[in-house]
Amino acid sequence: EVVLTQSPGTLSLSPGERATLACRASQSVASSKLAWYRQRAGQAPSLLISGASSRATGIPDRISGSESGSGTDFTLTISRLEPEDFAVYYCQQYDGRHPTFGQGTKVEIK
Amino acid sequence: EVQLLESGGDLVQPGGSLRLSCAASGFTFSSYAMSWVRRAPGKGLEWLSAISDRGDYIYYADSVKGRFTISRDNSRNTLYLQMSSLRAEDTALYYCAKHLVRGEWYFDLWGRGTLVIVSS
Repeated sequence: EVVLTQSPGTLSLSPGERATLACRASQSVASSKLAWYRQRAGQAPSLLISGASSRATGIPDRISGSESGSGTDFTLTISRLEPEDFAVYYCQQYDGRHPTFGQGTKVEIK
Repeated sequence: EVQLLESGGDLVQPGGSLRLSCAASGFTFSSYAMSWVRRAPGKGLEWLSAISDRGDYIYYADSVKGRFTISRDNSRNTLYLQMSSLRAEDTALYYCAKHLVRGEWYFDLWGRGTLVIVSS
């Protein structure tokens, strides 16, 4: 099983600041099969990024995903935090038929 | 409106059973694979089970294999999760999720979840 470790656990930032969220895989994730989701309080998760860097429909370009290393290190960047961005973010790998998620990073208002 | 709506969550005793439902609307349900995912208190998301668009391929996580059964009724646009031999560690918010692309296991639509509490 691929274990995903997200860091930090909590990120305290102000609106307008830049957020950088990390997701590290215990083994290489083939073909960049990594997705990011946002879950606002009391709401369903929503897809932000797939294929490590492809934005989902309707996601603004201030949200971006990237990959570095040998398919083990992934980053979600929000260039300018808007009020709706304060939420919990999860990464998920889908390399194979046993998808796994990270434990989440909470982005809170400082 | 495109949405998924889960129901059936409840308080159940250890060893008991429960059936969750997920009603789909706003898209062609029979064209997409579906999954169940849960989030236990204080923990992250855990994928549980998936079923192909026609219901002929089914997959389970080891944590629920042999205890949970996924199924679907395309005529009713509804996904199900039959849960038995429930344990305290099954306490969680259960989500259904739609696979975006055939053969790819990430999800573009989620419900808001239904709460299952396993306790005596």
